[in-house]
Amino acid sequence: QKEVEQNSGPLSVPEGAIASLNCTYSDRGSQSFFWYRQYSGKSPELIMFIYSNGDKEDGRFTAQLNKASQYVSLLIRDSQPSDSATYLCPGPKDDKIIFGKGTRLHILP
Amino acid sequence: DTEVTQTPKHLVMGMTNKKSLKCEQHMGHRAMYWYKQKAKKPPELMFVYSYEKLSINESVPSRFSPECPNSSLLNLHLHALQPEDSALYLCASSQVGVEQFFGPGTRLTVL
Repeated sequence: QKEVEQNSGPLSVPEGAIASLNCTYSDRGSQSFFWYRQYSGKSPELIMFIYSNGDKEDGRFTAQLNKASQYVSLLIRDSQPSDSATYLCPGPKDDKIIFGKGTRLHILP
Repeated sequence: DTEVTQTPKHLVMGMTNKKSLKCEQHMGHRAMYWYKQKAKKPPELMFVYSYEKLSINESVPSRFSPECPNSSLLNLHLHALQPEDSALYLCASSQVGVEQFFGPGTRLTVL
């Protein structure tokens, strides 16, 4: 079983709509969860982290965590063309962090 | 200082060359990482240093040799690379067990 599963996309969302990205983990011991954004040719940039069940909001971004279901999501409200990127949610395996394939998000103008 | 720096930004080398990639952070992080990323693929973990000791080596070929001279610096020594080693090499740092911060990467081309 893969440690981290994401829909690789591409996910196309109209500008101004809500983009919803999802990630599931196989490690029940996971305590902390992160979302990274990576533009083409650039390095990953941390955009959200969440440790507790429930929602965490930061500007247009909301992370939702359900530890029992081993599921974390990222909602992007009022999507902008600048949100077009690959979104990565690394997950733990043993003592290290493993990146899944990531979800390519394309915001349609 | 809240960033991870990497030099050089671009590197072109022949298969017989020896070169080094450098990474530096001044955030007091005690864990540092090397990743390799091919186009349209996620970053692949290569090495992890924790408290200046190599803690993880993901079965990386010996032509890649990491070094951590002190808590702020991380090097990756390259020797006798193959064209398939061409990729973006990313350095990251973190406090142990929490979110990682990435440098801008070194784009490596092996001819």
